[in-house]
Amino acid sequence: SQELEQSPQSLIVQEGKNLTINCTSSKTLYGLYWYKQKYGEGLIFLMMLQKGGEEKSHEKITAKLDEKKQQSSLHITASQPSHAGIYLCGARRAAGNKLTFGGGTRVLVKP
Amino acid sequence: GAVVSQHPSRVICKSGTSVKIECRSLDFQATTMFWYRQFPKQSLMLMATSNEGSKATYEQGVEKDKFLINHASLTLSTLTVTSAHPEDSSFYICSATILVQETQYFGPGTRLLVL
Repeated sequence: SQELEQSPQSLIVQEGKNLTINCTSSKTLYGLYWYKQKYGEGLIFLMMLQKGGEEKSHEKITAKLDEKKQQSSLHITASQPSHAGIYLCGARRAAGNKLTFGGGTRVLVKP
Repeated sequence: GAVVSQHPSRVICKSGTSVKIECRSLDFQATTMFWYRQFPKQSLMLMATSNEGSKATYEQGVEKDKFLINHASLTLSTLTVTSAHPEDSSFYICSATILVQETQYFGPGTRLLVL
């Protein structure tokens, strides 16, 4: 099974509605990263979470890491067309180590 | 800050030729750079980790003689796809980290098409 599971795989929401993406690991994480990618482009760094129970927000995007550091969620409030794209979670297992990515969640926001 | 560039953005080549892709950190010194490939509608797969001045560490299943990585300075890493074949066609993305921060900043990617 995949080390990092993302759900849902795709999501269509009406503009103005909220949405949540989940990222689950079978093992405790050293760090969890959220990125956004537009098709055919590079990844844009959104947020990094490292402490159990940590929560960070930037504009309308909030990311949380659970106490056990095995599950993270990304929540977008009042979605806009600019929020459309592919959201990827990346997990770091140890300090200075590489990232393993989830399968991604494709988000489409309908105006 | 933390801008990473890649060149070229797109390349089309004939089967059997070699292609070099450059990854540069524009406003910071990158102690480590990573090379990924991404197939359509799939996630990123790490190919190798590159530290300045030392040999790259390749992931299992990635041929080091096929994908040559050079990290000559703290701002530049290159990936050369040697004797490219159609199955090497993919989207190649690099990332770079700043010492201590550990966050990876990604380049815009290079789309390679081998005919």
